[in-house]
Amino acid sequence: DVKVTQSSRYLVKRTGEKVFLECVQDMDHENMFWYRQDPGLGLRLIYFSYDVKMKEKGDIPEGYSVSREKKERFSLILESASTNQTSMYLCASSQRGNYYEQYFGPGTRLTVT
Amino acid sequence: QKEVEQNSGPLSVPEGAIASLNCTYSDRGSQSFFWYRQYSGKSPELIMSIYSNGDKEDGRFTAQLNKASQYVSLLIRDSQPSDSATYLCAVTSGSARQLTFGSGTQLTVLP
Repeated sequence: DVKVTQSSRYLVKRTGEKVFLECVQDMDHENMFWYRQDPGLGLRLIYFSYDVKMKEKGDIPEGYSVSREKKERFSLILESASTNQTSMYLCASSQRGNYYEQYFGPGTRLTVT
Repeated sequence: QKEVEQNSGPLSVPEGAIASLNCTYSDRGSQSFFWYRQYSGKSPELIMSIYSNGDKEDGRFTAQLNKASQYVSLLIRDSQPSDSATYLCAVTSGSARQLTFGSGTQLTVLP
């Protein structure tokens, strides 16, 4: 069964903290994605990775970085968390050559205070 | 700026009726179109994809695409309360390897 897991369901951090969000998939997928979802704005792509150590910016990369050292794991890093990064963060993965049929993890609701 | 527009709703239909969800997009280079369903508190799941003009049917779901008019729609026949969810339209962004999502339409099917 297809499975994407995220390290935390809920997370509360303080402004200025460095935050790590982890995503792991067990489907041997080459492509992995990080989105944030906000009311009225839908899903917006932050970064995606199409192979180990490879990444591309999405629509809203500012304030974020990513790391992909192993095929199954894709990390999102908030270098210095700010209140406007309070959001639901969703990780997804897809097979090589098929960027669009994506499988999503359960999401991490991050609150920055 | 790539845009995908959906009516946010909420859209309410009685059980057994046809629910019609609409989506327009701005990028004429878009080639592939998808509908994701998201139950409250859950993550999105892919339910339909369509790549060419016309209709594509899958059970009670029909996706319709009109590239000339730049719209894609999803029809749900014999709507059930279990269809109550937010439906996200997603469109490929020209040659980019990514999807652009609409903000979603919230559908409620009343028993």
